[in-house]
Amino acid sequence: DGGITQSPKYLFRKEGQNVTLSCEQNLNHDAMYWYRQDPGQGLRLIYYSQIVNDFQKGDIAEGYSVSREKKESFPLTVTSAQKNPTAFYLCASSITSPGTEAFFGQGTRLTVV
Amino acid sequence: QQPVQSPQAVILREGEDAVINCSSSKALYSVHWYRQKHGEAPVFLMILLKGGEQKGHDKISASFNEKKQQSSLYLTASQLSYSGTYFCGTANTGKLIFGQGTTLQVKP
Repeated sequence: DGGITQSPKYLFRKEGQNVTLSCEQNLNHDAMYWYRQDPGQGLRLIYYSQIVNDFQKGDIAEGYSVSREKKESFPLTVTSAQKNPTAFYLCASSITSPGTEAFFGQGTRLTVV
Repeated sequence: QQPVQSPQAVILREGEDAVINCSSSKALYSVHWYRQKHGEAPVFLMILLKGGEQKGHDKISASFNEKKQQSSLYLTASQLSYSGTYFCGTANTGKLIFGQGTTLQVKP
């Protein structure tokens, strides 16, 4: 079955450590997105990519980095520069034609202690 | 800039109706609607592409007023399964951004 997979579901890290969140899709989608979700703030866009080897900053990219070396994969690294990294992170993908729905992964809840 | 949703939260009894509004200070090229249950992935409801467009399935429908840069989601005769957080989103040049969400709670 096609879908989008995020792993792990829960992640704990010590302050000051970088951590990488995985996002893999087998939907053959060109576009992929990363969002951060905090209570009352909705889904805020971190990075997005429309094609392999290319990505753009979203609204809250500071303290995060991404890569898009393969169409299927769009990993997100939360660096030590991110001042408040504890949050729920969602990855999504879609085809690039206008007016198409995005498919979301189940999310990764990151807790930094 | 994120679209703005109102209200922030709604509590209903089963069978009651609700309207969730979405507006933007920038042009809305398309409007996406999603629903998220707690701790789960958002699930797609519908997309509206053109001003004046209205869509719906079952008892959930939406409208899009392109001139006013607004969209509304209508939930009629609400069911317990409608509970969750509703998000509107808009896409432009590949960037898909969402509002802050509206939490809907339907009580028996």
